[in-house]
Amino acid sequence: AQSVTQLDSQVPVFEEAPVELRCNYSSSVSVYLFWYVQYPNQGLQLLLKYLSGSTLVESINGFEAEFNKSQTSFHLRKPSVHISDTAEYFCAVSGLTGGGNKLTFGTGTQLKVEL
Amino acid sequence: GAGVSQSPSNKVTEKGKDVELRCDPISGHTALYWYRQSLGQGLEFLIYFQGNSAPDKSGLPSDRFSAERTGGSVSTLTIQRTQQEDSAVYLCASSLVPSQNIQYFGAGTRLSVL
Repeated sequence: AQSVTQLDSQVPVFEEAPVELRCNYSSSVSVYLFWYVQYPNQGLQLLLKYLSGSTLVESINGFEAEFNKSQTSFHLRKPSVHISDTAEYFCAVSGLTGGGNKLTFGTGTQLKVEL
Repeated sequence: GAGVSQSPSNKVTEKGKDVELRCDPISGHTALYWYRQSLGQGLEFLIYFQGNSAPDKSGLPSDRFSAERTGGSVSTLTIQRTQQEDSAVYLCASSLVPSQNIQYFGAGTRLSVL
């Protein structure tokens, strides 16, 4: 079984400031890791993923996340946020073996970018 | 279609009624998933279909919930004798290659049980 912890339920930040959204996971098997973003009244959109290979993964809109196996973390970062980044961000994990292919989600972090 | 399509987008029903929620996955995707998003419970897995294999129903909260997938494509989630605690957004996702598990989500059906 897997679990995901997102310690910060809300993160306010000024536009053009850097941000880090924290994600820690627990699993007895190797995992795939994901960040999804949910804009108001919309479904979940895949932001980025770690499947294998380089531990640093990037999205097309400037976000990046680094898989740290020893710390069981997959924190999301962006060096300079925009108003349009205001949304809820969900970290998710799925096991490579066992536990099926279901995604286990964290409770989400609401990112609010202010002028 | 271009993405996962869910209908209806909103559903209001009375306690005790049955409801059916529909999901059209991305064409060619063999894996289909249902999740529920509610204020109290966050995002929860409900059920998973993969090809012709028996579905993984381990996330269904009670026997009032059931789902089927016809012809390996469209799926219907049925909730019988709805209760107020069933109020939530029901999300469907599909995946091309389940081993990599990159799931693409629909916009969801918002269910309100009065």
